[in-house]
Amino acid sequence: AQSVTQLGSHVSVSEGALVLLRCNYSSSVPPYLFWYVQYPNQGLQLLLKYTSAATLVKGINGFEAEFKKSETSFHLTKPSAHMSDAAEYFCAVPIGGATNKLIFGTGTLLAVQP
Amino acid sequence: KAGVTQTPRYLIKTRGQQVTLSCSPISGHRSVSWYQQTPGQGLQFLFEYFSETQRNKGNFPGRFSGRQFSNSRSEMNVSTLELGDSALYLCASSLGGALSYNEQFFGPGTRLTVL
Repeated sequence: AQSVTQLGSHVSVSEGALVLLRCNYSSSVPPYLFWYVQYPNQGLQLLLKYTSAATLVKGINGFEAEFKKSETSFHLTKPSAHMSDAAEYFCAVPIGGATNKLIFGTGTLLAVQP
Repeated sequence: KAGVTQTPRYLIKTRGQQVTLSCSPISGHRSVSWYQQTPGQGLQFLFEYFSETQRNKGNFPGRFSGRQFSNSRSEMNVSTLELGDSALYLCASSLGGALSYNEQFFGPGTRLTVL
């Protein structure tokens, strides 16, 4: 069965430092991959939709996504972390053809230290 | 445009009861999906409705059911509640259509606690 793995359930960075979150997919490179962010006691907010045809995709809040072929891993990055970036981040892959079924990674909780 | 709304935001029920959750998608969106989020299992797909028809279903028991109305609003029902049904239930809407991979926009969720 397909699975989505996020490397590191907890990541801590200093304010102003680079944010790098990783996501792996068990099957062939999917045509699309989504990154979502969840703040405490809230739903999921779409950060960006990555397409395999793109090199780099820009999302909201200064986040960018790309696929690192050498690692077969999807990277979500932000050059300079802000305190407001502290949240849980999920990657998700659509599967099953013409449906909207998403399988999610287990999430990475990002802490930003002052 | 207004976002996805879910009601109620919080629910407390006891074992054996049933519950109905409601979701109103973004105007113009015809697909509504439901997800369950728990600390142990993470985010899991329950089912998707498109044009009042269930288009896909996850691996949940038959106690979990849903429906979609002609205005695209959706409800999900859980009968004979169990303690393990305590979770955040999230609804997501998207344009839907024959092509998948449309962005899904999530509501704030309904926090269900089963005592």
